[in-house]
Amino acid sequence: EVLLLESGGGLGQPGGSLRLSCAASGFIFSSYAMTWVRQVPGKGLEYVSTISDNGGSTFYADSVKGRFTISRDNSKSTLYLQMNTLRAEDTAIYYCAKDVGSNYSPWNDWGQGTLVTISS
Amino acid sequence: EIVLTQSPGSMSLSPGERATLSCRASQSVSNSYLAWYQQKPGQAPRLLIFGASSRASGIPDRFSGSGSGTDFTLTISRLEPEDFAVYYCQQYGSSPPFSFGPGTKVDIK
Repeated sequence: EVLLLESGGGLGQPGGSLRLSCAASGFIFSSYAMTWVRQVPGKGLEYVSTISDNGGSTFYADSVKGRFTISRDNSKSTLYLQMNTLRAEDTAIYYCAKDVGSNYSPWNDWGQGTLVTISS
Repeated sequence: EIVLTQSPGSMSLSPGERATLSCRASQSVSNSYLAWYQQKPGQAPRLLIFGASSRASGIPDRFSGSGSGTDFTLTISRLEPEDFAVYYCQQYGSSPPFSFGPGTKVDIK
């Protein structure tokens, strides 16, 4: 069974930093691209970032480019999202997701999400 | 970047009725790489349809997808009580970043 468990959310300061983690199990982590998607509570889904299976390619939404960094440690089956220069509009539930095995999408396995709240 | 528009924004239907949800793209979606997700309150999204018309594993056959180019449709042939949720389309026709539609809420009439 595929399991994705996000952690690292919580209250952050505007201008500050947070690092999210997503611990994966139940599949060969190093064989799949991984993605972060976020959702303001009660609102729609927003694509954030994708990393290829070997970490060699990364992609970002314009809204986070230059502030967020996606990375992975295949030896630990863990995905990360380093979030810097945080803004109030980064407040959201952050989901990690695993693709079906090609083209970076779609995403057939999702974590339960971790809530990030940016407020002073 | 491809912008997706979904219509209607919400719909009220009764169990047993047919639901037809629309997703329109601002430009052609390559290879019909269009997916549909279902999301219920407090839950992560669930993949229903990929490649515009292929059902994901374990998805009941009352869910079907169609379309190509810029116009796509998700049809739920007979609504079950567990189908009342928000539905999102998402395109993955080119390299990331990808995009989602704003969602259609299907609630009980």
